[in-house]
Amino acid sequence: SQTIHQWPATLVQPVGSPLSLECTVEGTSNPNLYWYRQAAGRGLQLLFYSVGIGQISSEVPQNLSASRPQDRQFILSSKKLLLSDSGFYLCAWRVGRGIRWAFFGQGTRLTVV
Amino acid sequence: SQQGEEDPQALSIQEGENATMNCSYKTSINNLQWYRQNSGRGLVHLILIRSNEREKHSGRLRVTLDTSKKSSSLLITASRAADTASYFCATDAEHDMRFGAGTRLTVKP
Repeated sequence: SQTIHQWPATLVQPVGSPLSLECTVEGTSNPNLYWYRQAAGRGLQLLFYSVGIGQISSEVPQNLSASRPQDRQFILSSKKLLLSDSGFYLCAWRVGRGIRWAFFGQGTRLTVV
Repeated sequence: SQQGEEDPQALSIQEGENATMNCSYKTSINNLQWYRQNSGRGLVHLILIRSNEREKHSGRLRVTLDTSKKSSSLLITASRAADTASYFCATDAEHDMRFGAGTRLTVKP
């Protein structure tokens, strides 16, 4: 069966520090991968998605970047965090073709101080 | 940017009552999906309705889709306290998936 791992669960980082959040999927190949951010009590904002290794689509110009170095690994990064980067970050995957729904990781609560 | 917009933003009902949430969207879709999120957790898929379907049922869930009005509704019948959560609609294009702001449902025992 397929599983998705996202870590860490919580993170407190100072302003100006770098960020690396990792997401890995097991049990499937060539998934579509997604990074979302959710502000407190709000909806999900699509940040990045990837349909294959090295293929990244960016939805929102910002302080963040994403990479997909392996088929089932999706990394969200920042060189210098801003206070406004605080939020709940969610990784998700789904199969690449056909009618499909998304499976989400448990999320990372990032607080920039 | 977000695609769907749910209303109401918050809904509070008594156990046993029905809960109806609505979603409007802006562009053409392949299908529309509803998800549930417990506080501080990831989203869990509930039900998917294709663009050529008008209504779909799954247990206590009923979803309708009106592509001419670009709107969908989720009905939860005979609600339970355990249904307390946030509910999101998501529009499905070829690669990306966009979510609305969600409806926060509280079911009082």
